[in-house]
Amino acid sequence: NAGVTQTPKFQVLKTGQSMTLQCAQDMNHNSMYWYRQDPGMGLRLIYYSASEGTTDKGEVPNGYNVSRLNKREFSLRLESAAPSQTSVYFCASMDRGSRQPQHFGDGTRLSIL
Amino acid sequence: KNEVEQSPQNLTAQEGEFITINCSYSVGISALHWLQQHPGGGIVSLFMLSSGKKKHGRLIATINIQEKHSSLHITASHPRDSAVYICAVLTPENYGGSQGNLIFGKGTKLSVKP
Repeated sequence: NAGVTQTPKFQVLKTGQSMTLQCAQDMNHNSMYWYRQDPGMGLRLIYYSASEGTTDKGEVPNGYNVSRLNKREFSLRLESAAPSQTSVYFCASMDRGSRQPQHFGDGTRLSIL
Repeated sequence: KNEVEQSPQNLTAQEGEFITINCSYSVGISALHWLQQHPGGGIVSLFMLSSGKKKHGRLIATINIQEKHSSLHITASHPRDSAVYICAVLTPENYGGSQGNLIFGKGTKLSVKP
């Protein structure tokens, strides 16, 4: 039971570099989410995809782009990384409209120097 | 403004103690989640509830929709319960800018000493 798989688990970047965080789920969920978690703050929604083919901004979308590649995969891209984007990133998925909870990946710890 | 408030922020208990973590929210919800996050680890859903009470092992979650309040109780606490417990509310599909999404509290860090 893989659930939600995120890669990589850790990454260090220099300011201005770009990178893509990958997320895949094998539960046939229609909705997928990207969050960031910072010390002293709750999880904050960056972008979400309510269904395949759609994406929408969350609370903190600036500096990020997303792609819902297919029903399974939802990637998060940092085009020009900034130190303020140092955070732990979580991907999650759920069957929107169901009575089931969101399932989370193990997180990606990203440091921008 | 924080739409989801948890208390306390930090909690230290002795093994065996009864623990209560509180969550208050100010928005309309369709459901409320309690999540658990171990140090350096992923996030696991403990409960999802929209009314009444749910029990799983030593964990009990209650919600009062009228008072916009939920509690998570841990009976006979154990060091392995040490984790951050997060309350999150699921907004309805037609709710403002957070349509059908989760809004998270900042978490309660629980440490249970042997």
